Amino acid sequence: SAVISQKPSRDICQRGTSLTIQCQVDSQVTMMFWYRQQPGQSLTLIATANQGSEATYESGFVIDKFPISRPNLTFSTLTVSNMSPEDSSIYLCSVPGTGAGIFTEAFFGQGTRLTVV
Amino acid sequence: GDSVTQMEGPVTLSEEAFLTINCTYTATGYPSLFWYVQYPGEGLQLLLKATKADDKGSNKGFEATYRKETTSFHLEKGSVQVSDSAVYFCALMHFGNEKLTFGTGTRLTIIP
Repeated sequence: SAVISQKPSRDICQRGTSLTIQCQVDSQVTMMFWYRQQPGQSLTLIATANQGSEATYESGFVIDKFPISRPNLTFSTLTVSNMSPEDSSIYLCSVPGTGAGIFTEAFFGQGTRLTVV
Repeated sequence: GDSVTQMEGPVTLSEEAFLTINCTYTATGYPSLFWYVQYPGEGLQLLLKATKADDKGSNKGFEATYRKETTSFHLEKGSVQVSDSAVYFCALMHFGNEKLTFGTGTRLTIIP
């Protein structure tokens, strides 16, 4: 299993500012995922962050808006830039669990509840 | 692309009632299917999974069977408890691509 610590757990931010969310894992992982859950909506994948390479963004998400860092195998950050009220969501970090090299399940952080005013 | 359609909530049941939360999916090939649960104040955690057609996943009294012919993975429990109150998410993933596609989630409330 993996234990994921995500900070901050919640924040209220002014529009036009940026917020950086941190994700710390208790074991080394190659891939980390960032998801967004808008109010009343499903979880949507923002990007995949591999250590040592640029993050891969899903359709509708761009690096200028959601820059991601992945400095080592246990840590990643997601920045929500130039925020607007539409960015109010829960942001979650996730890592895959594997057994014998095969995916078993995804582990999630507690999430960051962001409100933009 | 892939999609997961989940029974809309919220769902409110009395304790010991039978629970079904419907989940259907659209995807190519043979994805793995999951149910995740989010208890109040906690993070998402895996409830059960099935990796191939006709597999049945089970955990904590919950069951779901992978039905390829109906592209469904309905979650069932014979007798719910107050402690089952949570949000339940159906999800799929293709082998070798560890990205999950989620349904919208169903909020379940069990009243004593």
